Amino acid sequence: EVQLLESGGGLVQPGGSLRLSCAASGFTFRNFAMSWVRQAPGKGLEWVSSLSGSGGSTYYADSVKGRFTISRDNSKNTLYLQMSSLRAEDTAVYYCAKAHSGTWGGDDYWGQGTLVTVSS
Amino acid sequence: QSVLTQPPSVSGAPGQRVTISCTGSSSNIGAGFDVHWYQHLPGTAPKLLIYGDSDRPSGVPDRFSGSKSGTSASLAITGLQAEDEADYYCQSYDSSLSGRVFGGGTKLAVL
Repeated sequence: EVQLLESGGGLVQPGGSLRLSCAASGFTFRNFAMSWVRQAPGKGLEWVSSLSGSGGSTYYADSVKGRFTISRDNSKNTLYLQMSSLRAEDTAVYYCAKAHSGTWGGDDYWGQGTLVTVSS
Repeated sequence: QSVLTQPPSVSGAPGQRVTISCTGSSSNIGAGFDVHWYQHLPGTAPKLLIYGDSDRPSGVPDRFSGSKSGTSASLAITGLQAEDEADYYCQSYDSSLSGRVFGGGTKLAVL
């Protein structure tokens, strides 16, 4: 059974940093692209970042480019999102998601999400 | 303002058919990039309903179907059930943005 478990969310002050983790199990992690998607309170889903199975190709939404870094450790079956220079508008539930195929082929499994709150 | 445009809400009675549209442009749907559809209940993990414009993952009922034409795509739900009440999102790739884009989401009410 595929499982994705996010952790690392919490309350952080504007300008601060936070690292999210997503522990994956139930599939060959290194073979699949992974993504982070967020949902701000009362808003829709917003794609944040994706990276290839090898980790060699990364992609970012303009809203987080230069502030967030996506990475993975295939030996630990774990996806990461390092977030810095956080802003109030980054407040959201952050989901990790597994690609169905390729990098842009839709996401067939999602975690339950972890809440990030940016506030003083 | 989302790159992909969806109606904010649709509704239908149990047993009826509803469609949700997703309108893009020449840099995403119109360029031939695949469209995917998700069902999302607040507080839960989104669920992939349709991938590659019209394919269903295993376990998704055939009441759900997807189509695409030109710069638009549609999700159709037949035999509407109370459990279908949720938010629905379309997603594609945008070459101008070099990344994924979501529609703004459509809230489906089963009357």
